[in-house]
Amino acid sequence: EDQVTQSPEALRLQEGESSSLNCSYTVSGLRGLFWYRQDPGKGPEFLFTLYSAGEEKEKERLKATLTKKESFLHITAPKPEDSATYLCAGGGYNKLIFGAGTRLAVHP
Amino acid sequence: AAGVIQSPRHLIKEKRETATLKCYPIPRHDTVYWYQQGPGQDPQFLISFYEKMQSDKGSIPDRFSAQQFSDYHSELNMSSLELGDSALYFCASRPDRGKTGELFFGEGSRLTVL
Repeated sequence: EDQVTQSPEALRLQEGESSSLNCSYTVSGLRGLFWYRQDPGKGPEFLFTLYSAGEEKEKERLKATLTKKESFLHITAPKPEDSATYLCAGGGYNKLIFGAGTRLAVHP
Repeated sequence: AAGVIQSPRHLIKEKRETATLKCYPIPRHDTVYWYQQGPGQDPQFLISFYEKMQSDKGSIPDRFSAQQFSDYHSELNMSSLELGDSALYFCASRPDRGKTGELFFGEGSRLTVL
């Protein structure tokens, strides 16, 4: 069964305190591993796509990495505006399977 | 830039009623996805369409049906509504299948069943 598992469920950081979010996956026909950011009451917003083990992508304070079984989203020196739910998803052309997300709260 | 448009944004229905949600994808996006997100839950894949044909099906109840029309907009029809159908329903679209993993999500339609 296709499954995407994220940890931790929630993470509270002080501004400037770096950390990592984890995503492990078993998705048949996986064509990519995707990271999205979701703010309350809004649709998910695309961050990164990773296609192969060893691949890394960066955007501002975020860096996503991929191994054969899991992906990490590293947050360096976060700011309060980085507070959101970060969703990991695996999938192919026809669907994405989302994990439950990590709710990140960054406090000044 | 144009985004995915969903309507209505909010909808309140009684149990056993019917509801229809509409989605207008970004121009030239040929793939549409529907997701259901309950409070505090992750988005659950319902169904997807590519070039007006159903391309995959997830945990969509038999009471729900969907289609994609010739102008690529999509409608999700929900009948015999239950309290548990209360959720945010997201539509997403994707350009040029196979060349990008990025889905563009709409703002969602919030359905409340009383």
